[in-house]
Amino acid sequence: GDSVTQMEGPVTLSEEAFLTINCTYTATGYPSLFWYVQYPGEGLQLLLKATKADDKGSNKGFEATYRKETTSFHLEKGSVQVSDSAVYFCALMARGSGGGADGLTFGKGTHLIIQP
Amino acid sequence: KAGVTQTPRYLIKTRGQQVTLSCSPISGHRSVSWYQQTPGQGLQFLFEYFSETQRNKGNFPGRFSGRQFSNSRSEMNVSTLELGDSALYLCASSSGHTSYEQYFGPGTRLTVT
Repeated sequence: GDSVTQMEGPVTLSEEAFLTINCTYTATGYPSLFWYVQYPGEGLQLLLKATKADDKGSNKGFEATYRKETTSFHLEKGSVQVSDSAVYFCALMARGSGGGADGLTFGKGTHLIIQP
Repeated sequence: KAGVTQTPRYLIKTRGQQVTLSCSPISGHRSVSWYQQTPGQGLQFLFEYFSETQRNKGNFPGRFSGRQFSNSRSEMNVSTLELGDSALYLCASSSGHTSYEQYFGPGTRLTVT
């Protein structure tokens, strides 16, 4: 079945450091790829997405590129802030047998801690 | 536009009881999906409803069921609760079309004692 693998952390960085969170996936066909962020006590927020190979998703200074040849969708940010501290989830969605989407398949989540 | 709302936010139940959780999607969205989040298993897909029909289903026992109403609001029911059902239950709404973007509610924290 489909799966997503990402580093679980915690990942601790200093403010203004460069961030990379690795994400690789296994799926049949051409899934859509997503990054979601979860702040303490809250639900998930969609951070960015890419729907086909070589697409680059970007939002709030975060970027990720859909690399079909390496089945990866690594999340990057050039300069992190304390407010970026959260749990980040990489996810994929494939077309379901019933039509529509087959539900998101998530990685385990990466806990990011940014120190001032 | 109002976001996805879930009620109640917190719930405590006893083993063997049943529970119903509610989700109201973003206005105009016709698809509602449900997920279970636990520390051990992470986020897992339960099922998706579109236009009052279950369209896709994850790998959960039949104790977990759902339905969707004509106004797109959805309910999830868990019967014969087990301790392992303690989790954060998240609802996500989408237009139901090919963009597949899902927008999540704040979740219902269920504790089974």
